[in-house]
Amino acid sequence: AQSVSQHNHHVILSEAASLELGCNYSYGGTVNLFWYVQYPGQHLQLLLKYFSGDPLVKGIKGFEAEFIKSKFSFNLRKPSVQWSDTAEYFCAVILNDYKLSFGAGTTVTVRA
Amino acid sequence: ETGVTQTPRHLVMGMTNKKSLKCEQHLGHNAMYWYKQSAKKPLELMFVYNFKEQTENNSVPSRFSPECPNSSHLFLHLHTLQPEDSALYLCASSQDRTGVAFFGQGTRLTVV
Repeated sequence: AQSVSQHNHHVILSEAASLELGCNYSYGGTVNLFWYVQYPGQHLQLLLKYFSGDPLVKGIKGFEAEFIKSKFSFNLRKPSVQWSDTAEYFCAVILNDYKLSFGAGTTVTVRA
Repeated sequence: ETGVTQTPRHLVMGMTNKKSLKCEQHLGHNAMYWYKQSAKKPLELMFVYNFKEQTENNSVPSRFSPECPNSSHLFLHLHTLQPEDSALYLCASSQDRTGVAFFGQGTRLTVV
């Protein structure tokens, strides 16, 4: 069975600091990878996705993620966070079926 | 507004009650999902429907019973629930196996 591991449960940082959230998955075959975000009081929404091609993908709001196949990782980064980036971030994978599986999530708190 | 609407937003029910959660999507997607979101745990995939056919039942107890009458509507029928079933229940839809899912706001369920 596939699984998704997120290394940090809660990250607290100041505005303008850099952010990196770790994500590892356990499946060895072809996967599609995602980061979803849930802002306070809002629905879960897609931040960025990787299907194939360039392993460095750009998402909305200045986020990017890098797929490293050899490490089974898909880490999320943002060079300079803003207060509005306070949210919960979820890594997810899907195989060649319909099972979109999520990690436990990382709560990011950005202090002004 | 994501195009996926869940009702009710909040539900309190006793352990002997029977209730139903409703999900409706207006995106023309062919896959719909039920997830359970509990604090500090990964989103748990419960059920997946593709073109009204159930393709995944992730070892969910029989006190949860899904129904998908058409590709736009998804129900989760609840009966004789336990307090540990209290959680946020999320509905999502996607087109094919892309993993690009659109989520509803969720139903906050409390079992007393």
